[in-house]
Amino acid sequence: EPEVTQTPSHQVTQMGQEVILRCVPISNHLYFYWYRQILGQKVEFLVSFYNNEISEKSEIFDDQFSVERPDGSNFTLKIRSTKLEDSAMYFCATPARTYGYTFGSGTRLTVV
Amino acid sequence: AQSVTQLDSQVPVFEEAPVELRCNYSSSVSVYLFWYVQYPNQGLQLLLKYLSGSTLVKGINGFEAEFNKSQTSFHLRKPSVHISDTAEYFCAVISLIQGAQKLVFGQGTRLTINP
Repeated sequence: EPEVTQTPSHQVTQMGQEVILRCVPISNHLYFYWYRQILGQKVEFLVSFYNNEISEKSEIFDDQFSVERPDGSNFTLKIRSTKLEDSAMYFCATPARTYGYTFGSGTRLTVV
Repeated sequence: AQSVTQLDSQVPVFEEAPVELRCNYSSSVSVYLFWYVQYPNQGLQLLLKYLSGSTLVKGINGFEAEFNKSQTSFHLRKPSVHISDTAEYFCAVISLIQGAQKLVFGQGTRLTINP
């Protein structure tokens, strides 16, 4: 059983629409991270979330993005008005037992 | 701020040949180092990590990496590759400063194994 589950695995949305990506860790972590990987490019840090607050965010994480922990067990990444350039794989991650991260299997977002 | 450079974007290798994927990092403080593997259409899987102690670390699937502090490198090696090793490999670093647990990735190296 994966330690971090992401849904959906693939989402296609029209430009300008809102999308919500979900992530459920097995263990109850205080730290949580979102990363993005545009096709063929490096994995980029988006935001870290600690104890229900954003602890750090990158330049990519502009006002179109938001993160929440709506019910204490799952985490969401919301993109309010998607752009073509938001098409990417989005990974959530939690701290592993001995440093490093455990990544989810990712959500492939395609904006058309 | 820390950064990671993977010197080779693509590495083609014949099956059963040895391979080395290069990684250099820069950081003003001590770091933890990682290699992740991404198989086609899959997520990121941890191969190995260096936290402290022996500079030679062994990971899954026969891979190993050596931490060289003076050269700020963490090159990944495997003595004999298999077709199934075809994947993208990412070097990553966490800097050991209080409160900062952000994992920073290199650009990735695409390893292609030819029969």
